Amino acid sequence: GEEVAQTPKHLVRGEGQKAKLYCAPIKGHSYVFWYQQVLKNEFKFLISFQNENVFDETGMPKERFSAKCLPNSPCSLEIQATKLEDSAVYFCASSQQGSPLTGELFFGEGSRLTVL
Amino acid sequence: SQQGEEDPQALSIQEGENATMNCSYKTSINNLQWYRQNSGRGLVHLILIRSNEREKHSGRLRVTLDTSKKSSSLLITASRAADTASYFCATVPNAGGTSYGKLTFGQGTILTVHP
Repeated sequence: GEEVAQTPKHLVRGEGQKAKLYCAPIKGHSYVFWYQQVLKNEFKFLISFQNENVFDETGMPKERFSAKCLPNSPCSLEIQATKLEDSAVYFCASSQQGSPLTGELFFGEGSRLTVL
Repeated sequence: SQQGEEDPQALSIQEGENATMNCSYKTSINNLQWYRQNSGRGLVHLILIRSNEREKHSGRLRVTLDTSKKSSSLLITASRAADTASYFCATVPNAGGTSYGKLTFGQGTILTVHP
């Protein structure tokens, strides 16, 4: 598609439940990124993929967060045993493969996760 | 901690006035980008300036970059009510291949333009 599509837009989970978010990058984009935005300001980098391979996962909380980008499927971000502090908007972005000097990211509209 | 620190945190102006937002960062960068976020929406890329550039224009936007001071500014001229949004600077550090696309965002400036 011509835009990054994220689903669901809103997700409510009880503490301890699993949450799974999906992202379809722009067709032809090789890189996918996940960011977490808490309280409408700070964006925290979580993980990036180059096609189906993890490119950089230095931002991922190791214990409960996992992510995948499989061929011919939307990318996913899964949180096992959610905690209250996981409440945030999760943004997916994609980028074309190319010179590192470009670096422009195209963002989806986000998925708002509320953990009660 | 965030790479970028933005100033001011909030800015309120009248339509037609200019709005200036500043961003400071800490490490050596490959490029710096500005994004806009309307309330409840995703980020929209506005402009990218490379580390070897000092100034860039795009429509009513003017971005400057001073690598010696590790700072950048975004100027929006002749502002409109539709410019009301949060504006974020984001940096791509000079850290080798894995820095690609790993944007580090500032805290953002909330701009309100009154009609």
